[in-house]
Amino acid sequence: QLQLQESGPGLVKPSETLSLTCTVSGGSISSSSYYWGWIRQPPGKGLEWIGSIYYSGSTYYNPSLKSRVTISVDTSKNQFSLKLSSVTAADTAVYYCARHKSLTTIDYWGQGTLVTVSS
Amino acid sequence: QSALTQPASVSGSPGQSITISCTGTSSDVGGYNYVSWYQQHPGKAPKLMIYEVSNRPSGVSNRFSGSKSGNTASLTISGLQAEDEADYYCSSYTSRVVFGGGTKLTVL
Repeated sequence: QLQLQESGPGLVKPSETLSLTCTVSGGSISSSSYYWGWIRQPPGKGLEWIGSIYYSGSTYYNPSLKSRVTISVDTSKNQFSLKLSSVTAADTAVYYCARHKSLTTIDYWGQGTLVTVSS
Repeated sequence: QSALTQPASVSGSPGQSITISCTGTSSDVGGYNYVSWYQQHPGKAPKLMIYEVSNRPSGVSNRFSGSKSGNTASLTISGLQAEDEADYYCSSYTSRVVFGGGTKLTVL
């Protein structure tokens, strides 16, 4: 059974860079035809797609966040990562890592990790 | 403001059927058969319930069904059960992955 687990700081200061890692177990991140992505959910609000990386390394970002987002993959560790720069309080959210069968079919989700942006 | 429009809330009694709509445009919902539906219980990660408009993943009850007409997709839950009470989100694709604002389902 595929499992995804987010890790990283729960508190980030304004203007700094948020960095999260997703560790995949029970399957290879190099498996063909899958995307690996990040979705966030501000407290009490809806879901927002941040971006995804295809197994081949191609990246797809939400245009509203593109200038601040980098998603990368480390196949040797079976992990992929998110970096979001110049954060503000508006970036406070639960961040989920996930596997996509296609860009709109997210079939496996991590449990989510709350990241708070505050000084 | 979400790219896809869902009703904020719907409700139904146990055993009844309800339908949640998801309205987009010809550039997303209407243009592709890439509509998914997710169920989210409080404090939990979303769960895929329907993909590619009407396909159910293995393990999802056949009480859940999806359809699409024009720019509007729909999720129907038949034989409502207390455990169905949750938030439901639709998703589609244009130049990016877009979600609806979510619908809170209350089982009376």
